[in-house]
Amino acid sequence: GENVEQHPSTLSVQEGDSAVIKCTYSDSASNYFPWYKQELGKRPQLIIDIRSNVGEKKDQRIAVTLNKTAKHFSLHITETQPEDSAVYFCAASMGGNQFYFGTGTSLTVIP
Amino acid sequence: DTGVSQNPRHKITKRGQNVTFRCDPISEHNRLYWYRQTLGQGPEFLTYFQNEAQLEKSRLLSDRFSAERPKGSFSTLEIQRTEQGDSAMYLCASTLVGGPAKTQYFGPGTRLLVL
Repeated sequence: GENVEQHPSTLSVQEGDSAVIKCTYSDSASNYFPWYKQELGKRPQLIIDIRSNVGEKKDQRIAVTLNKTAKHFSLHITETQPEDSAVYFCAASMGGNQFYFGTGTSLTVIP
Repeated sequence: DTGVSQNPRHKITKRGQNVTFRCDPISEHNRLYWYRQTLGQGPEFLTYFQNEAQLEKSRLLSDRFSAERPKGSFSTLEIQRTEQGDSAMYLCASTLVGGPAKTQYFGPGTRLLVL
């Protein structure tokens, strides 16, 4: 089956700096890659996603890049704010069947 | 509230008891997933349904676990003879397959504590 690895497990940045979280996947058949933000005690919420026919997608301060050849994708958050502090999960799916999640990155934005 | 809902939100039980959780997906969503999440980990896939058909089950889903979605709407997840290792957050998610996106929407989860 698919194996998704996520790094780093923890990340601290100063407010206003950028944060980058990286994930790799093993199954070349995976074609959908969402990113979720989970605040303490709350449900995961989708923040951005990318499909395999696209190399990059941006939504305001958040962007995701995908390298299908290398089987890795990254989340980029620019101009970080304290409210960006949360756990971020990447996931990979083939056709919306099983979703395989990374182990999460705990992001702390220091004011 | 038109989001995914789950009941109960919290459940404390003694080892050996049976528990049942319910998930109500977004009404037009035809696919429903169950996940288990332990502290510091990402959601682990358990099973999913397309309408009322259970299409795939993880190896994590032992024979003590059973899930149903009898009318293609709400789903139940039952754990028989609970063990302390079953303590976790059980998350449900739904999506519309065949639509323009495969985005999953998660429910708030049921937190299970087995004593």
